Amino acid sequence: GAGVSQSPRYKVAKRGQDVALRCDPISGHVSLFWYQQALGQGPEFLTYFQNEAQLDKSGLPSDRFFAERPEGSVSTLKIQRTQQEDSAVYLCASRLGQHSNQPQHFGDGTRLSIL
Amino acid sequence: RKEVEQDPGPFNVPEGATVAFNCTYSNSASQSFFWYRQDCRKEPKLLMSVYSSGNEDGRFTAQLNRASQYISLLIRDSKLSDSATYLCVVNIPGGSYIPTFGRGTSLIVHP
Repeated sequence: GAGVSQSPRYKVAKRGQDVALRCDPISGHVSLFWYQQALGQGPEFLTYFQNEAQLDKSGLPSDRFFAERPEGSVSTLKIQRTQQEDSAVYLCASRLGQHSNQPQHFGDGTRLSIL
Repeated sequence: RKEVEQDPGPFNVPEGATVAFNCTYSNSASQSFFWYRQDCRKEPKLLMSVYSSGNEDGRFTAQLNRASQYISLLIRDSKLSDSATYLCVVNIPGGSYIPTFGRGTSLIVHP
């Protein structure tokens, strides 16, 4: 069956450009998470949606980062005025329900490089 | 101090060995624990959930020690294909419970 789909797989941008990363979760999954993973580190939490509601955005590193999930399905993570330190893999995960005892399912990630 | 800590390793073991990893967490109200496996340049994949009473899936055994605030993963009879990074996940309370990852432990199984 279809898993979590992320696009693009790779994105190269010049410093100062805006980028938009897309996540298409597993159909029917209520919860959606964005993580940032630097080389050699574990995924770091960015933000969490339950349906269309953004319940937690405490992990967003700055006001240059913005995420939305307007219809409770597809989500977009936008980074404005990119900086070199934004270079990382951005992972999206979905979870069937709202309960933490259910596991997350991850997409392949978007590898972002800022030149 | 990070909320979820793991020894990054690498743990370098021969085929057939038994190896164990721990993952400590700082918030005693944490709940719902998992182990994920991540291969190089791939996404994390669920290995197993961790239940209070401990649970086993083939060669893998996971345990939770609430009193000492850690979870463990034991791998018996290691295979070359077990080489990967093992990530623990702890759901930490806030407004919602947030699945929080450790930095991962690298395992290398050699012939």
